[in-house]
Amino acid sequence: DAGVTQSPTHLIKTRGQQVTLRCSPKSGHDTVSWYQQALGQGPQFIFQYYEEEERQRGNFPDRFSGHQFPNYSSELNVNALLLGDSALYLCASSFSGTGGSGEQFFGPGTRLTVL
Amino acid sequence: RKEVEQDPGPFNVPEGATVAFNCTYSNSASQSFFWYRQDCRKEPKLLMSVYSSGNEDGRFTAQLNRASQYISLLIRDSKLSDSATYLCVVNGGGSYIPTFGRGTSLIVHP
Repeated sequence: DAGVTQSPTHLIKTRGQQVTLRCSPKSGHDTVSWYQQALGQGPQFIFQYYEEEERQRGNFPDRFSGHQFPNYSSELNVNALLLGDSALYLCASSFSGTGGSGEQFFGPGTRLTVL
Repeated sequence: RKEVEQDPGPFNVPEGATVAFNCTYSNSASQSFFWYRQDCRKEPKLLMSVYSSGNEDGRFTAQLNRASQYISLLIRDSKLSDSATYLCVVNGGGSYIPTFGRGTSLIVHP
């Protein structure tokens, strides 16, 4: 049973560029959440996708956008990259049947460095 | 006041010690609570859920105090392999947004 997978594992971009990160949820899960984790901090919620729609959004600018596909996989897009966007980006999946209880399974993350 | 607060530590303890962490939350309508463990440069992994009646899993005990709005994690007989960052997560209160604390670092030494 494959867990949550993310690609790529590492990425280096320059300011102003755009990036797309990808996530495949754990088998049987239909909800995908994205988090940004800066060094020494806890993960910060970006948004959550369910039934191909953004269900909730954290305090992140519109430069951060996402998408969920019919097979439940998801993408996170970040436009006009800033130095401060350098972080570990985590994808977490869960099953909606838990009622959004928060029990999530995380992927290994994508480490983004913006130069 | 932050929504979820944790003492970042580090807590530096010898093998075999008992150590406890607390995590306070500000939203009294919060409904579900969890402890995650995160090893250096790895993803968080669910350690245990926290129920109103408290729960125990081997050397780990989690408790919830709704009146004072905090959850706790107790680790008995610490092992070297327990060294990690422990993240508390609070969810609910009208949204699907799980809120993470910044984590508490535990270092268990020989």
